[in-house]
Amino acid sequence: QQPVQSPQAVILREGEDAVINCSSSKALYSVHWYRQKHGEAPVFLMILLKGGEQKGHEKISASFNEKKQQSSLYLTASQLSYSGTYFCGTPGTYKYIFGTGTRLKVLA
Amino acid sequence: NAGVTQTPKFRILKIGQSMTLQCTQDMNHNYMYWYRQDPGMGLKLIYYSVGAGITDKGEVPNGYNVSRSTTEDFPLRLELAAPSQTSVYFCASSYSDRAAGETQYFGPGTRLLVL
Repeated sequence: QQPVQSPQAVILREGEDAVINCSSSKALYSVHWYRQKHGEAPVFLMILLKGGEQKGHEKISASFNEKKQQSSLYLTASQLSYSGTYFCGTPGTYKYIFGTGTRLKVLA
Repeated sequence: NAGVTQTPKFRILKIGQSMTLQCTQDMNHNYMYWYRQDPGMGLKLIYYSVGAGITDKGEVPNGYNVSRSTTEDFPLRLELAAPSQTSVYFCASSYSDRAAGETQYFGPGTRLLVL
């Protein structure tokens, strides 16, 4: 029931783009995206509500396709500060559940 | 605003000992959560609360207890610590569980090592 994220890990050069996907076996009504830097707490990036809308945060945007039960996070022109682990999250059976996580490393 | 604060930052426990992890938020949020994060893994919900006096189990509640006597505080109690409870514990809060109010704000975490 835990949302599955892909890829599990990705390495980028500064300026490159990346896409992180979050897929659920259950219906999604809302999706949150968080970023966690090493040794720190997760930090909220954006929320996607049903309706296929896209949101943006700096050069990071996301889409939400409720029919496909998927959300994707788009990182454009990546910066060193984008390094960290990205989690999607959504209300689940036990109130709230996070995805499996995607480790992203941006190299200079 | 301090947001969500947690104490202690780090603790070493011996097997069988007990301890309480403290969590306080000053945002007047109704919802509070306790998660554990094992090394290199994601976050698992232990317990949550939807308001003072109301708590419920999350995905991994065994070995833990919680209470919520005030809106601000949500302590997590570990009884008879076991090595499997070695983890980083995060407390979080949100205004509600509906739409934009679902956004969770996390505390800095408590690193617990059980030897």
